[in-house]
Amino acid sequence: KQEVTQIPAALSVPEGENLVLNCSFTDSAIYNLQWFRQDPGKGLTSLLLIQSSQREQTSGRLNASLDKSSGRSTLYIAASQPGDSATYLCAVRGSEKLVFGKGTKLTVNP
Amino acid sequence: GAVVSQHPSWVICKSGTSVKIECRSLDFQATTMFWYRQFPKQSLMLMATSNEGSKATYEQGVEKDKFLINHASLTLSTLTVTSAHPEDSSFYICSAARGETQYFGPGTRLTVL
Repeated sequence: KQEVTQIPAALSVPEGENLVLNCSFTDSAIYNLQWFRQDPGKGLTSLLLIQSSQREQTSGRLNASLDKSSGRSTLYIAASQPGDSATYLCAVRGSEKLVFGKGTKLTVNP
Repeated sequence: GAVVSQHPSWVICKSGTSVKIECRSLDFQATTMFWYRQFPKQSLMLMATSNEGSKATYEQGVEKDKFLINHASLTLSTLTVTSAHPEDSSFYICSAARGETQYFGPGTRLTVL
């Protein structure tokens, strides 16, 4: 059974700092890995999707890496802003469904 | 493109009543839709997968007679929580698949008194 773990559970940083969120998964047989953003009481916004054959994806200030063999992914956020404050969820797709981690709650302080 | 809506966004009901939540893919057809439940500070847990025109596939531990799913068209799936109890209070999120990508709705907050 696939399990997804995200560390840390919460993170508070000053504005402008670069930061890394971590995601690990137990079963390396995945099709892809996705990072989402969730604002309080809201649905999910997809940030980046990495196929199993890829090593990383970039979108603006976000960069996600994938090391499938070790079961790890990182989400790098450059020059953080208060508007980046949200919960970030990592999800891996196995044969048919997405399995989510519990998320990392990020607070960027002005 | 690829917008998924949910209605209502929040609902409060009395214990024992039934509540229906709608999920619509607004600008694409989705043969497969998913229903998730999220408790506070927990991850999204898949409840069931619904395919248009067929019965939903429920995850282990999810009562299919309590959580009725209907996927009547390629753009609409409904989740009905029957005889709701306070422990059913949660955030319910639907997702619609277009190809290999899932698009998520904004969620429905259910509170059962």
